[in-house]
Amino acid sequence: NAGVTQTPKFQVLKTGQSMTLQCAQDMNHNSMYWYRQDPGMGLRLIYYSASEGTTDKGEVPNGYNVSRLNKREFSLRLESAAPSQTSVYFCASRLAGTDYNEQFFGPGTRLTVL
Amino acid sequence: AQTVTQSQPEMSVQEAETVTLSCTYDTSENNYYLFWYKQPPSRQMILVIRQEAYKQQNATENRFSVNFQKAAKSFSLKISDSQLGDTAMYFCASSGGSNYKLTFGKGTLLTVNP
Repeated sequence: NAGVTQTPKFQVLKTGQSMTLQCAQDMNHNSMYWYRQDPGMGLRLIYYSASEGTTDKGEVPNGYNVSRLNKREFSLRLESAAPSQTSVYFCASRLAGTDYNEQFFGPGTRLTVL
Repeated sequence: AQTVTQSQPEMSVQEAETVTLSCTYDTSENNYYLFWYKQPPSRQMILVIRQEAYKQQNATENRFSVNFQKAAKSFSLKISDSQLGDTAMYFCASSGGSNYKLTFGKGTLLTVNP
């Protein structure tokens, strides 16, 4: 039981390049989330998927797209990377209806855009 | 909308002593949850303790306890018998609404000194 996994762990991009961050969970959770963490800002929600087939914008969605490929996988795509997207990205998942509605986090991806 | 405020950017404590981290929040939800997460240098987000808003009893987890003051919208974390391994960034977070999105504070960097 790996929990929430993210790939890659580190990535360096040049301005204008595109890439996809991958996230998968093996806990049969319904909901999945993407957050970004910037110095001094805490974590902020980019997009979320309440269930398979649905996605919604969070607090900071500009410059990103997401795909809920199936129940297990939720990817985040940067179509044209900008230096402002340099950040640490976290994926999380939640099983709806449980006590506390707790979210479980992946290990994060450190992305640098030059 | 939810907001979470952590007014202490940094704190330090001597090993074996007790320290309290402050958190205030605001929410329009009637049913919500509050969390403290620990983020060590490894970057992994680790759940420390959680509280359901409708429960009056303060949550405890071993050396960690909270002081939940619902009317004041305050949710402080007390760490007893501090250990060197407690050195980390601590985030207060709230969740609620239909999709239980997490809203984080900016964090408190706690250093435990030997």
